[in-house]
Amino acid sequence: GAGVSQSPSNKVTEKGKDVELRCDPISGHTALYWYRQSLGQGLEFLIYFQGNSAPDKSGLPSDRFSAERTGGSVSTLTIQRTQQEDSAVYLCASSLEYREASTDTQYFGPGTRLTVL
Amino acid sequence: GQNIDQPTEMTATEGAIVQINCTYQTSGFNGLFWYQQHAGEAPTFLSYNVLDGLEEKGRFSSFLSRSKGYSYLLLKELQMKDSASYLCAAMDSNYQLIWGAGTKLIIKP
Repeated sequence: GAGVSQSPSNKVTEKGKDVELRCDPISGHTALYWYRQSLGQGLEFLIYFQGNSAPDKSGLPSDRFSAERTGGSVSTLTIQRTQQEDSAVYLCASSLEYREASTDTQYFGPGTRLTVL
Repeated sequence: GQNIDQPTEMTATEGAIVQINCTYQTSGFNGLFWYQQHAGEAPTFLSYNVLDGLEEKGRFSSFLSRSKGYSYLLLKELQMKDSASYLCAAMDSNYQLIWGAGTKLIIKP
């Protein structure tokens, strides 16, 4: 596609419910990243994928968070038993390659604003 | 540990020049990125430096000194639409981006 897309753009949920966030990277981009940004704060790295594999899951805040990527394209971030502190904007980015700095420029999607009541 | 420092907020006047500084400490170094983020929007790529020196791109320029662990973003002929947060990010030896908290730039008429 023309750019990174994410859905939904906004999600309001009740504490304890599960949510699933979706990211469609730029076509042909092999690397995909998930970040979290709380209001007025910097980006918090969550996880990245190179193809379908996620070599480093250490950024995930807790075991309630999981992510997968199938077919080297679409990725979903799942948050189980949501808590109020999970409220944030969840940003997805993709890049052409990983571990090739000159082509590692990350292009971001519009984000999903998650509100946990 | 790995760390990025940049000022929290800066104010400048329309038509003027502003320099946003960033210092970094990373395990290894594979380049320095600057992104612009308007309120409520996703970050957009501005520049990438991996060699020392100044890279100019229109009204925006980015400078890097690897020996000093220092970069700056220079914005000339400021316009109201330049009001945004500017994020500095350094890439470490594992090709992971370490992000600063961002500098909120306020442009006054």
